[in-house]
Amino acid sequence: AQKITQTQPGMFVQEKEAVTLDCTYDTSDPSYGLFWYKQPSSGEMIFLIYQGSYDQQNATEGRYSLNFQKARKSANLVISASQLGDSAMYFCAMREGSGGTSYGKLTFGQGTILTVHP
Amino acid sequence: GAGVSQSPSNKVTEKGKDVELRCDPISGHTALYWYRQSLGQGLEFLIYFQGNSAPDKSGLPSDRFSAERTGGSVSTLTIQRTQQEDSAVYLCASSGASNTSGGTHEQYFGPGTRLTVT
Repeated sequence: AQKITQTQPGMFVQEKEAVTLDCTYDTSDPSYGLFWYKQPSSGEMIFLIYQGSYDQQNATEGRYSLNFQKARKSANLVISASQLGDSAMYFCAMREGSGGTSYGKLTFGQGTILTVHP
Repeated sequence: GAGVSQSPSNKVTEKGKDVELRCDPISGHTALYWYRQSLGQGLEFLIYFQGNSAPDKSGLPSDRFSAERTGGSVSTLTIQRTQQEDSAVYLCASSGASNTSGGTHEQYFGPGTRLTVT
């Protein structure tokens, strides 16, 4: 079974509008972390935002926010006021079984290609 | 400061040859990870080093793959008797030991080594 599922292979958004990229996850570990990374065409992986399983509030980082719905096991990324530079591949990832530490391998979803139109 | 560096950036090799890929993590980071990214398989975890602990080798696809980390810093991923299915981008990442990144210990990725097996 897929641990991280991103159901949107591609998304399109108009510049300055908001967009939501979907991510659902599957784990039986009560302690886990959820990450979003951006990969532009240059290939570098850029960390965007993190949500811990025990965090009470949704994470926010500038124009990025994470809509964390624990009961539904979803961790959708919301990008507000899209910019042309946001066009990239976006990966959702999970770290589980870390035993309370902040280390451990990441399991990635298949990614969503976001295209921002002017 | 300097980020994660990897060398070579590109490697073309003939089927059956051995290759070594190098990763220099961010100075002071105690955890080092190897992933590979290919069209058919997405981003896959390979191996993970954390301090002096035994490495987590659970993602290595076969015994042709091995990795070592010398002096808690530089790591080398070795692929013996390369096969065409080994063609991929090999990504290295490192993460820190303190709360300098807000306690999330996100992984910082290098630019990757693109391996092509002909």
